[in-house]
Amino acid sequence: EVQLVESGGGLVKPGESLRLSCTGSGFDFSRAYMTWVRQAPGKGLEWVGRIKGKTDGETIDYAAPVKGRFTISRDDSKNMFYLQMNSLKTEDTAVYYCLFRWDSWGQGTLVTVSS
Amino acid sequence: DIQMTQSPASLSASVGDRVTITCQASQDIKKYVNWFQQKPGKAPKLLMYDTSNLGTGVPSRFSGSGSGTHFTFTISSLQPEDIATYYCHQYDDVPRTFGQGTKVEIK
Repeated sequence: EVQLVESGGGLVKPGESLRLSCTGSGFDFSRAYMTWVRQAPGKGLEWVGRIKGKTDGETIDYAAPVKGRFTISRDDSKNMFYLQMNSLKTEDTAVYYCLFRWDSWGQGTLVTVSS
Repeated sequence: DIQMTQSPASLSASVGDRVTITCQASQDIKKYVNWFQQKPGKAPKLLMYDTSNLGTGVPSRFSGSGSGTHFTFTISSLQPEDIATYYCHQYDDVPRTFGQGTKVEIK
């Protein structure tokens, strides 16, 4: 059974940093494309970015609103997937989900950016 | 970026009604459309992939059609447990993009 568990959310001030983690199990993690999607309170879904699997060069793509501020990475030895978020803005406030394919989502972790 | 224009934003229908949601892509995305269902406080659930394929365990009252730029999602007989927000999503190109969502309510 595929399981994804996010952690690391919380309350931070504008300009601060936060790192989200996602641990995966039940699938071949090193080959997996891993994705972050976020959802601001009461709003729709927004793709944040993804990292391809080891066999596809671990290429990373980002959405324009986060490019240059957020960094996606992975540690296949630990089955971990990360989202380093720097220079956070109030508009980054959202529930962040990690995904494997499109049929396996974590439970989400809330990031609140507020002064 | 590929824009996904989803309509309507909300709808109210009776149990047993046929419900249709449409999604228009700003460019040809072949068949690379997913449809998700999201209930309050929960992660989205994949209902349809590749436009018309049912996700695992998804009831057959859900269906999808289309290709290119115009896509349709249908619930053939609305059930109380179908109350949720539905999103279309394209995965033909990065950045992946979602429709704005359709909130489905029972009349």
